[in-house]
Amino acid sequence: DTAVSQTPKYLVTQMGNDKSIKCEQNLGHDTMYWYKQDSKKFLKIMFSYNNKELIINETVPNRFSPKSPDKAHLNLHINSLELGDSAVYFCASSQGILDGANVLTFGAGSRLTVL
Amino acid sequence: GQNIDQPTEMTATEGAIVQINCTYQTSGFNGLFWYQQHAGEAPTFLSYNVLDGLEEKGRFSSFLSRSKGYSYLLLKELQMKDSASYLCAVMDSNYQLIWGAGTKLIIKP
Repeated sequence: DTAVSQTPKYLVTQMGNDKSIKCEQNLGHDTMYWYKQDSKKFLKIMFSYNNKELIINETVPNRFSPKSPDKAHLNLHINSLELGDSAVYFCASSQGILDGANVLTFGAGSRLTVL
Repeated sequence: GQNIDQPTEMTATEGAIVQINCTYQTSGFNGLFWYQQHAGEAPTFLSYNVLDGLEEKGRFSSFLSRSKGYSYLLLKELQMKDSASYLCAVMDSNYQLIWGAGTKLIIKP
């Protein structure tokens, strides 16, 4: 019974296409995140939602648009894909955002390759 | 700016002890986390320190000194399965996580 599940696991696409990654958590957590991990393994926060409300929106091109239909789901849509978007995208969730409640449970990751 | 420093790579022998250091400079401090990430997998939570001192959890311990902006993760009785990257992350005054680049730990028999 997967706690944080994201699909697809692998995505290979051409430059200029639009793609979506879906994420769902069954932990009852209030907060969900999208992270990008590039080839140098740096984890960069992209977005965070707390109870469906956007609370963190880092400097990310507006080609990236998150959507949270309810607090168990956080999807990521990417328009006009570029080569530099190739990375592993991790969805994560936490009970909250303060102190120890900020322990993250990550999904397995979605490896995006833009050709 | 905010900065987390960890060694890029370390090598240790099975059965031995290894200490992975993390130094940080952040705007404020609301806790430090250690995560383990095996190659091709997601990070998993190891420890959380918000007060100075040592927190022990089985073979893994984490230490924090807030005055020195310093933490370490201590792994004892190393096993081959401990080969992974270890990520240090600090929660700043805005409760945002600032991540280090991770330390790749290689365990040799």
